[in-house]
Amino acid sequence: AQSVAQPEDQVNVAEGNPLTVKCTYSVSGNPYPFWYVQYPNRGLQFLLKYITGDNLVKGSYGFEAEFNKSQTSFHLKKPSALVSDSALYFCAVRDMSNYQLIWGAGTKLIIKP
Amino acid sequence: DAGVIQSPRHEVTEMGQEVTLRCKPISGHNSLFWYRQTMMRGLELLIYFNNNVPIDDSGMPEDRFSAKMPNASFSTLKIQPSEPRDSAVYFCASNFRTGGNTEAFFGQGTRLTVV
Repeated sequence: AQSVAQPEDQVNVAEGNPLTVKCTYSVSGNPYPFWYVQYPNRGLQFLLKYITGDNLVKGSYGFEAEFNKSQTSFHLKKPSALVSDSALYFCAVRDMSNYQLIWGAGTKLIIKP
Repeated sequence: DAGVIQSPRHEVTEMGQEVTLRCKPISGHNSLFWYRQTMMRGLELLIYFNNNVPIDDSGMPEDRFSAKMPNASFSTLKIQPSEPRDSAVYFCASNFRTGGNTEAFFGQGTRLTVV
């Protein structure tokens, strides 16, 4: 079965430290992973997506993601966290058999001053 | 473009009443998605339209839920009759379907409370 796993419900990081939010997936065919961010009482905002051939993808707000085909992972990273990065982060992967996005459960990122 | 526009932003209704949620996708997009988000179940896809045609409605919880897309610039999600367990945030999203890595754009959501 197709699935996306975000193994951490919550990640706590001190401001200025690097952060990683993990995502692994199991899909058939070529994977097309994405990251979205959701701030309180807001919709989901697109953050970044995998582009074929680029194992390190750069996105909005200084975020980047590392694509690892052998480990079927697409971890979200940022070298230096800001308090304003505190939000809910969702990983999603497109299932090309029906074009639908398979969503992870979300990871709450808390950046402490 | 103003992005995906949903209305209303908040809706409080009594159990048994009909509720209609509205969505205007981004101009030029040919795919539209309705999602429901709850603490318990996370983000669930309810229905997906492509070129105004419903492609997959397997996520629609039951017959009380129906969705239409009469044209490329408008879609509705209707719940009749509504029940307290329908309380959730409902999101509409759209994209222009090309390849697999086309991102979807979300509206601000409608927070539905059924009392």
